[in-house]
Amino acid sequence: LAKITQPISMDSYEGQEVNITCSHNNIATNDYITWYQQFPSQGPRFIIQGYKTKVTNEVASLFIPADRKSSTLSLPRVSLSDTAVYYCLVPPAGNTPLVFGKGTRLSVIA
Amino acid sequence: EAGVVQSPRYKIIEKKQPVAFWCNPISGHNTLYWYLQNLGQGPELLIRYENEEAVDDSQLPKDRFSAERLKGVDSTLKIQPAELGDSAVYLCASSRDRGTGELFFGEGSRLTVL
Repeated sequence: LAKITQPISMDSYEGQEVNITCSHNNIATNDYITWYQQFPSQGPRFIIQGYKTKVTNEVASLFIPADRKSSTLSLPRVSLSDTAVYYCLVPPAGNTPLVFGKGTRLSVIA
Repeated sequence: EAGVVQSPRYKIIEKKQPVAFWCNPISGHNTLYWYLQNLGQGPELLIRYENEEAVDDSQLPKDRFSAERLKGVDSTLKIQPAELGDSAVYLCASSRDRGTGELFFGEGSRLTVL
């Protein structure tokens, strides 16, 4: 399993872009990088997955450099409702279950 | 499409009492998971089912925890007897298969043991 390191917490003001970087130095060739979001009193929710370069959807963008040893989740113009815990995961190729760390607790301030 | 449904949302019991949690996964999802989440921690896998077969239960404390998924659809997780340290949120998740990396979680069942 890839060893995951991400910041424990981050603060941001509303309207700012937030970038959460995750390191996964021993990622395997076939592994994908997956991010989940968890609001208080809810289960985690899949937000984005990527293998290399850049992936963008309606929620976030995921930037992955060529060596794939890290990735950055980018949330554009955050609002108070983006306050949540964000988990970076690297599930073994072709296999779940997912192994969650402590994630990054993002607090968005007005 | 209905999401993963769990019940009850909240349960308060005294220690040594039994408790059961129910989960109905998304229709057509063959893989079902039970996770435990302590306050301030990420979810930890308890058991994974492929259809009705438990394929990964190494983290399930089998002396007091049991689970079943008899017809390969909904599932029940039971604790008997409950201990103070079992207070946590029990999350159920499902996925279409084991390889997509995308799990769909329910809202969880919060257990408080007094």
